[in-house]
This record gives sequence, structure tokens and C-alpha cells, in this order.
Amino acid sequence: DTTVKQNPRYKLARVGKPVNLICSQTMNHDTMYWYQKKPNQAPKLLLFYYDKILNREADTFEKFQSSRPNNSFCSLYIGSAGLEYSAMYLCASSRDGTHANTEVFFGKGTRLTVV
Amino acid sequence: AQSVTQPDARVTVSEGASLQLRCKYSYSATPYLFWYVQYPRQGLQMLLKYYSGDPVVQGVNGFEAEFSKSDSSFHLRKASVHWSDSAVYFCAVSYAQGLTFGLGTRVSVFP
Repeated sequence: DTTVKQNPRYKLARVGKPVNLICSQTMNHDTMYWYQKKPNQAPKLLLFYYDKILNREADTFEKFQSSRPNNSFCSLYIGSAGLEYSAMYLCASSRDGTHANTEVFFGKGTRLTVV
Repeated sequence: AQSVTQPDARVTVSEGASLQLRCKYSYSATPYLFWYVQYPRQGLQMLLKYYSGDPVVQGVNGFEAEFSKSDSSFHLRKASVHWSDSAVYFCAVSYAQGLTFGLGTRVSVFP
């Protein structure tokens, strides 16, 4: 099974409220990623876990949190949602995140709408 | 910093015609290049990748791409498209800790 599963597929959130998105994979991949995709923009890497080590991009450092309680699961947490967080959130995983030529597998995404 | 440019936001093509999608990259080191496709209501799927060797690489569903170091390009081609090829195609460069994507090209195939 080479799928990455994301729940829920659609999420509605209120401004100022927290949001938690869930991702899982059963491929025993050591690296899991979260990307943000807005209309007419390229997918943007937010953060990734290599094993238990979290790496966050500099410009999203303060905006997103994540946890990885075990190898299979990874969550993306927004403490206080703003309208600008409305986007598609893509979870992905790869077998060896330290190598640039490794294939990255993506989930179908969670579409977050903040109102 | 790395970057990827896909100059065509939308491409319309008739079924059975050939297709070429353009991609140019900017990266200081040896590039690892990918094409991903996103079909409606699906996740991104890898079509093909390149990191060394023959500059023409074959992918799934009859797609191929050609790497050019001199031109900093990695164009995607298909000889004869099918209506099911309608999708958004993303070119990406890998930098060991993630992928940098282009904006994508939306391909519409008409019968």
C-alpha cells in the first residue's frame, strides 16, 4: 500500500480557533512532510519530520506546529487560524528524506477553509 | 536558492495530439528533477525523475522528459495524449530536504 492518508478531506474552521490535521502512512517511511497549496501558487513546504526530528521552514516557523507520535502518524497544528490559512494542506512521505532523489508520496490533501 | 519556472499556466490540446510542457529550473548544485501530476480529486503522483545518466527519462503512461544542463530545462513530452491525461502537471527540483515546485500547468485534452 503506497498511500498516504489524510483526514479530514475538508475542514471548516473559525478565525482564532485551533486546527489539527492528521496524516498517516503505512510504508514505514522515515520522513513525513507538510505542504501548503493555495490557488495559483506552487505547493510550499511548511515543515518535515526526519524520524523524530522536526524541521520547520524559516518563514513558517511561528505559524505551524507538528507532532509525530510514531512512525506512521503526523499532525499539523495551527494554534489560532486566520483567513490566510485557508488552503489545501498536502501531507507526504518518503523512504529516505536525506537523499534528494527519493520519491515523495503525497496524500489527497485536506482543504481548510477559515471563516 | 532553488526555483522552478513553468511558463505555461494552461495548455489545451486535442486527443491524439502531442504534448510538451516546459520547465526551467535554477539550482546551484546537481539537480534532482521530477514531474508530478495531479488528477482531479487525487493526490500528487510522480510521473518520472532524473538525477543522472541518459538525459531522456521515461515515465509512466507514455510520458518522457528531457534534461538539458546547458538550458537548465526539464521539459515533459507525450507523443499522443488521451482525454484521461487532463490534469495539472508540476515540475519540481529536490534539495535533499523537500521539493521546490513550479506553479503547475493545467492540461485540458479535448476529443
